[in-house]
Amino acid sequence: SQTIHQWPATLVQPVGSPLSLECTVEGTSNPNLYWYRQAAGRGLQLLFYSIGIDQISSEVPQNLSASRPQDRQFILSSKKLLLSDSGFYLCAWTATDYGYTFGSGTRLTVV
Amino acid sequence: AQTVTQSQPEMSVQEAETVTLSCTYDTSESDYYLFWYKQPPSRQMILVIRQEAYKQQNATENRFSVNFQKAAKSFSLKISDSQLGDAAMYFCAYRSFFTGNQFYFGTGTSLTVIP
Repeated sequence: SQTIHQWPATLVQPVGSPLSLECTVEGTSNPNLYWYRQAAGRGLQLLFYSIGIDQISSEVPQNLSASRPQDRQFILSSKKLLLSDSGFYLCAWTATDYGYTFGSGTRLTVV
Repeated sequence: AQTVTQSQPEMSVQEAETVTLSCTYDTSESDYYLFWYKQPPSRQMILVIRQEAYKQQNATENRFSVNFQKAAKSFSLKISDSQLGDAAMYFCAYRSFFTGNQFYFGTGTSLTVIP
């Protein structure tokens, strides 16, 4: 069966520090991968999605970037965090006509 | 781009009663998928139910069912025999059948279950 792993679960980082959140999927190949952010409140904002290695689309211009070094690995990064980067980050994958399967999320607090 | 609207930011229901959460969407496509996701306090997003637009029959999963009105572009979620564990944020989502790389989410409805 397919599983998705996302870490870390919680992160507190100072302003200006780098960021690296990792997401991996097991049990499938060539998944579509996504990074979402959920700010305090509720809405889900799509940040990046990838339909394959070296195929990453950015939905919202900001100081975040994404990479997909392997087929089932998706990394969200920043060189210098801003206070406004605080939020709940969700990784998700999907294939064909199924819905998303989400990771357990990372709560990022920038101080 | 497609838009998904959830007009009820908050809802409450008495335990064991039935509640309906509303969702409307805007699209020019004829084939697509619709979903309801649940996000409990743990923040883990869980798929509740899924509907293919080409199917006329409403999807059902145990106590959860949908009322899919394609012409009206409406996709409501009915929760029967509400339980305390149903308390969560519920998100409606749309996915295109042909260009399904992105899902479009509504802003969510916070459901409270009153014991």
